[in-house]
Amino acid sequence: KAGVTQTPRYLIKTRGQQVTLSCSPISGHRSVSWYQQTPGQGLQFLFEYFSETQRNKGNFPGRFSGRQFSNSRSEMNVSTLELGDSALYLCASSRGTGSGNTIYFGEGSWLTVV
Amino acid sequence: AQSVTQLGSHVSVSEGALVLLRCNYSSSVPPYLFWYVQYPNQGLQLLLKYTSAATLVKGINGFEAEFKKSETSFHLTKPSAHMSDAAEYFCAVTPDSGGYQKVTFGIGTKLQVIP
Repeated sequence: KAGVTQTPRYLIKTRGQQVTLSCSPISGHRSVSWYQQTPGQGLQFLFEYFSETQRNKGNFPGRFSGRQFSNSRSEMNVSTLELGDSALYLCASSRGTGSGNTIYFGEGSWLTVV
Repeated sequence: AQSVTQLGSHVSVSEGALVLLRCNYSSSVPPYLFWYVQYPNQGLQLLLKYTSAATLVKGINGFEAEFKKSETSFHLTKPSAHMSDAAEYFCAVTPDSGGYQKVTFGIGTKLQVIP
């Protein structure tokens, strides 16, 4: 069974640009959530999508957005990139939403903003 | 809000020695608790999950954790450390209710295994 797949794995962007990251959840999983990992802030929740609806959002500016498609695949977008957006972005999926569900993480997308 | 506290951002043990990574949670209601491991340049891998079915939870790679409500703790242990255990370990919690999926992570503990 394939795990959570994230693309691209590595990318370098310039300040002011925008970036789109993609995530394919485990087959049968309908919930997708995104996390940002940085050395200074650790792992922080960005948002969760379930059945194409955003269920919950973390404390991030509006430059961070996401969406989920009918096949449960998800994308997140960061506009007007800042140096501080350099991070590992992790996608996770679970079968359902709700706190008891186990979430499984992808390998992440490493974003460097220069 | 739910939170977890990991004591010790760095832990060093000798190969073959006991591994003990500490995690305390703050909650008036027993939450769902997890331990994840992250190897260099990789994503997070689930080690084990507490769901109130049993206080002693066995995970992969010989790790286990014991839920102690009286101490609000969920420490991770392994009887004998192996070189391949060197990684960063995260304790995490999700709320008992809310109908949504949000994981709150601890700061992580980097485990160094000394040969």
